[in-house]
Amino acid sequence: DADVTQTPRNRITKTGKRIMLECSQTKGHDRMYWYRQDPGLGLRLIYYSFDVKDINKGEISDGYSVSRQAQAKFSLSLESAIPNQTALYFCATSESGTRAGYTFGSGTRLTVV
Amino acid sequence: AQTVTQSQPEMSVQEAETVTLSCTYDTSESDYYLFWYKQPPSRQMILVIRQEAYKQQNATENRFSVNFQKAAKSFSLKISDSQLGDAAMYFCALNQFYFGTGTSLTVIP
Repeated sequence: DADVTQTPRNRITKTGKRIMLECSQTKGHDRMYWYRQDPGLGLRLIYYSFDVKDINKGEISDGYSVSRQAQAKFSLSLESAIPNQTALYFCATSESGTRAGYTFGSGTRLTVV
Repeated sequence: AQTVTQSQPEMSVQEAETVTLSCTYDTSESDYYLFWYKQPPSRQMILVIRQEAYKQQNATENRFSVNFQKAAKSFSLKISDSQLGDAAMYFCALNQFYFGTGTSLTVIP
């Protein structure tokens, strides 16, 4: 099994629908992150969590919300999806401290039509 | 503010040759970490190499090495003996939050 599992792998949804992307990890890491990737823009941070009771907004949090249900689970919700939220979404985990690189999930490709 | 700039959207290299991908960054911190990640067509992001700013010695991982110039805030990735499997997007990253826009590397057989 993968260290960081994202579901679904691909999803097409309609404008205005609520959608949840899920992430679970077996790394035992405290820190979890959600990024979106767009062509030409690289990866941009949406939300991050340093432990179960800690949630922080990233660079582009508008239109998104998150829930840290347990140390191992961190979900991302789009309350009312819009077409410009079409992107590749990544969940990542890391050990504490900025020296630790990320372990990424395999991504969720979301298309909003 | 912390920023990462990759000025080469696309690069190509002949198989078995050497290629260098550029990355510059800006930070006011004196201690920080720099990373290169690889994203092959499978889209899985993989950590390639990591450099600690307080270490003057350049990091090396097999065929991958970096040229870290702290004063110039430059962090380039050198891939030696390029292989077809090296074809991917490469992202430079600063600490845990800041990514560049990526360089797409093509390996020509």
